[in-house]
Amino acid sequence: DVKVTQSSRYLVKRTGEKVFLECVQDMDHENMFWYRQDPGLGLRLIYFSYDVKMKEKGDIPEGYSVSREKKERFSLILESASTNQTSMYLCASSFGLRGVQNTEAFFGQGTRLTVV
Amino acid sequence: SQQGEEDPQALSIQEGENATMNCSYKTSINNLQWYRQNSGRGLVHLILIRSNEREKHSGRLRVTLDTSKKSSSLLITASRAADTASYFCATRWVDKIIFGKGTRLHILP
Repeated sequence: DVKVTQSSRYLVKRTGEKVFLECVQDMDHENMFWYRQDPGLGLRLIYFSYDVKMKEKGDIPEGYSVSREKKERFSLILESASTNQTSMYLCASSFGLRGVQNTEAFFGQGTRLTVV
Repeated sequence: SQQGEEDPQALSIQEGENATMNCSYKTSINNLQWYRQNSGRGLVHLILIRSNEREKHSGRLRVTLDTSKKSSSLLITASRAADTASYFCATRWVDKIIFGKGTRLHILP
């Protein structure tokens, strides 16, 4: 079974702190994604990566950065946490589209981040 | 934003009835996917339909896709209490997967 593991289930940080959210997958997936989920807004894509050291902005990248130094690990960084970044953060991974039929995303359990 | 839209936002039906949810999207797609999310947990993939397919079945699930109208529907037949969850459609274009806002489905006993 595919496993996507997020490092923390719940996290409380102070305004202005630098925050690291870690995600690890064990299926050799090329693609990895970070979303945030807020009530009434669904899942919004923050950043995604299609290969090691490769990244692209999603719909809401402001205030965030990402790092993918190894294929299995994708980190989301809040450079200076603010209260409006309080949210549920979901990491996902999938095979790349080229040459593979099933390209659904597999999700971690989520990290509920509260910034105070 | 390229986000899709599900319709309705919320749906309550009696156990045993069929539930239909719709999804509209804005961009080109390689495939469209449906996911379920139980309260406060991660999303689980249900079914994927490619852009050159029009209909697909999996157990009690039936998905249709109309690329000319940029829309899809998910039908859950003979609903059960365990189907109570939020349902999301997601569109894939190359390496990007974009989700909609979801439909909250509540199955009444």
